[in-house]
Amino acid sequence: ETGVTQTPRHLVMGMTNKKSLKCEQHLGHNAMYWYKQSAKKPLELMFVYSLEERVENNSVPSRFSPECPNSSHLFLHLHTLQPEDSALYLCASSQELGQGKNIQYFGAGTRLSVL
Amino acid sequence: GQNIDQPTEMTATEGAIVQINCTYQTSGFNGLFWYQQHAGEAPTFLSYNVLDGLEEKGRFSSFLSRSKGYSYLLLKELQMKDSASYLCAVRFPKFYFGSGTKLNVKP
Repeated sequence: ETGVTQTPRHLVMGMTNKKSLKCEQHLGHNAMYWYKQSAKKPLELMFVYSLEERVENNSVPSRFSPECPNSSHLFLHLHTLQPEDSALYLCASSQELGQGKNIQYFGAGTRLSVL
Repeated sequence: GQNIDQPTEMTATEGAIVQINCTYQTSGFNGLFWYQQHAGEAPTFLSYNVLDGLEEKGRFSSFLSRSKGYSYLLLKELQMKDSASYLCAVRFPKFYFGSGTKLNVKP
């Protein structure tokens, strides 16, 4: 148990569906992250939030829309996805952003399949 | 983006020692992390290096050479439960991960 919980663990959706991924951290951290993990590819950082403010958006298509209502919760809203968006989506949190030993704690991820 | 290179897969025997290498471009380096990820589970933090040298933590050690853009993770007295993927991540300050090294430990 890492203190970061993601739901659902598995999700199958059609290209016209709208769904949301949820992440909750119980560690009192101020920074939260969304990553995409595809088979045999590096983890790709998608979004970074610090104190509920988005500080990084790494050229992610607009069909992915993040939301951070408070420092403990992070959502990823999905709409009109493509089959190539099928992947494991990981959420992480860290005490702060920036320098130093800011360890990221990861959730177990949501396995997304787009049909 | 930055290229973080590590071997795709390695196999070692229970009780042995294995070294997993990671190389990266040196410009803008701001810290290196190693994570372990078992299949279907969250990546978990193993070690952090920001200065040159060896960091030891039980059976696991991590080494860094900033001038060479090189790190390794050393696993001693391998156990079956060490079978997992090992991810090298470098902060530039943006985080970049390698593709991971899948380690298979055989009896």
